[in-house]
Amino acid sequence: AQSVTQLDSQVPVFEEAPVELRCNYSSSVSVYLFWYVQYPNQGLQLLLKYLSGSTLVKGINGFEAEFNKSQTSFHLRKPSVHISDTAEYFCAVTPGGSYIPTFGRGTSLIVHP
Amino acid sequence: KAGVTQTPRYLIKTRGQQVTLSCSPISGHRSVSWYQQTPGQGLQFLFEYFSETQRNKGNFPGRFSGRQFSNSRSEMNVSTLELGDSALYLCASREAGSDQETQYFGPGTRLLVL
Repeated sequence: AQSVTQLDSQVPVFEEAPVELRCNYSSSVSVYLFWYVQYPNQGLQLLLKYLSGSTLVKGINGFEAEFNKSQTSFHLRKPSVHISDTAEYFCAVTPGGSYIPTFGRGTSLIVHP
Repeated sequence: KAGVTQTPRYLIKTRGQQVTLSCSPISGHRSVSWYQQTPGQGLQFLFEYFSETQRNKGNFPGRFSGRQFSNSRSEMNVSTLELGDSALYLCASREAGSDQETQYFGPGTRLLVL
């Protein structure tokens, strides 16, 4: 079985500052990795995903993430955040061949003006 | 393509009642999964349907059931509602082709049980 740990439940940051949301996972098999964003009263929107290949993945809204197999991490970064980035962010792990993701508990990104 | 749609968006029920939620996947997607999201437990997988067959099931009691129709639309039913069933229920669909690893989510149905 796999598990996902999002190390920070809440990350406050000022507008235009950089941000990193941390995600670590454990799995005995190879995995696919995802980041989703959830705005208030909405569903989950896919930000980016790592399936294979380059370990640096670029997504929508200026976000990127880096897969580090040795550290079993998939941290999400953005060089300069905007007020509109305030939302809940979920890291998810899917073991190869399963297609059913396990989600982390989420990180609330709060961007202050 | 239109995204995943869920109806209704909001629902209020009382304990003991039953409820049916509906999900229409992205056109061409044959897999539909259901998740329960609560502040206490986070996002939990309920079940997945593919071509009208339940493929995977999470750890939920038998009061939670689902089905999928030939047009890939899916319904989820919860019988004998409990207060703890209050949650956001999310539906997700995925294709069977080159992007089969990715779940695409609908806006959810927020259920309140009184």
